[in-house]
Amino acid sequence: QLQLQESGPGLVKPSETLSLTCTVSGGSISSSSSYWDWIRQPPGKGLEWIGSIYYNGGAYYNPSLKSRVTISVDTSKNQFSLKLSSVTAADTAVYYCARLVRSGTYFIDYWGQGTLVTVSS
Amino acid sequence: QTVVTQEPSFSVSPGGTVTLTCGLSSGSVSTSYYPSWYQQTPGQAPRTLIYSTNSRSSGVPDRFSGSILGNKAALTITGAQADDQSDYYCVLYMGSGIVVFGGGTKLTVL
Repeated sequence: QLQLQESGPGLVKPSETLSLTCTVSGGSISSSSSYWDWIRQPPGKGLEWIGSIYYNGGAYYNPSLKSRVTISVDTSKNQFSLKLSSVTAADTAVYYCARLVRSGTYFIDYWGQGTLVTVSS
Repeated sequence: QTVVTQEPSFSVSPGGTVTLTCGLSSGSVSTSYYPSWYQQTPGQAPRTLIYSTNSRSSGVPDRFSGSILGNKAALTITGAQADDQSDYYCVLYMGSGIVVFGGGTKLTVL
């Protein structure tokens, strides 16, 4: 059974860079049909797709966040990471990592439990 | 930018049937958007219900079904139960690697 676990600071100061890592267990991050995604949910609001990365480093980003987002992958550690720069209070959210199947279809089949990141001084 | 639209809220009686929809601010949803549906209860990560329009994820009861109705994707819950009270989100594949979440529907069972 695939498991994903987010980790990183729960508090980030405004204008700084938010950094999170997702550790994948129970399967390989190098799976051919798998993309690895970040999704967020501000308190009391809906889900927002941030971006997606393949094991070879190929990535897709939400156009509204693209200028501030970098997603990277470390196959040796079975991890992928999110960096979001120049954060503001609007970036306060629960951040989920997830697996997105992109093989003749597109859907998320595994989710991490989520981690709350608060942007505050 | 195209917005994915969902009803903000819906209510259904226990045992009843409800259909939630997922549309586009411009254009029609087809199977080419690979609509998928997710259920989320407060404080929990989402759970995958439906993918590729009408395929149920593993372990999902068959009272959840997906379809295309007119120009929208649809999630139908037949025989609603109290624990179906949740938020429901659709996701559409927009092409060029981009996926978009709908705003979500808050379903009340009462």
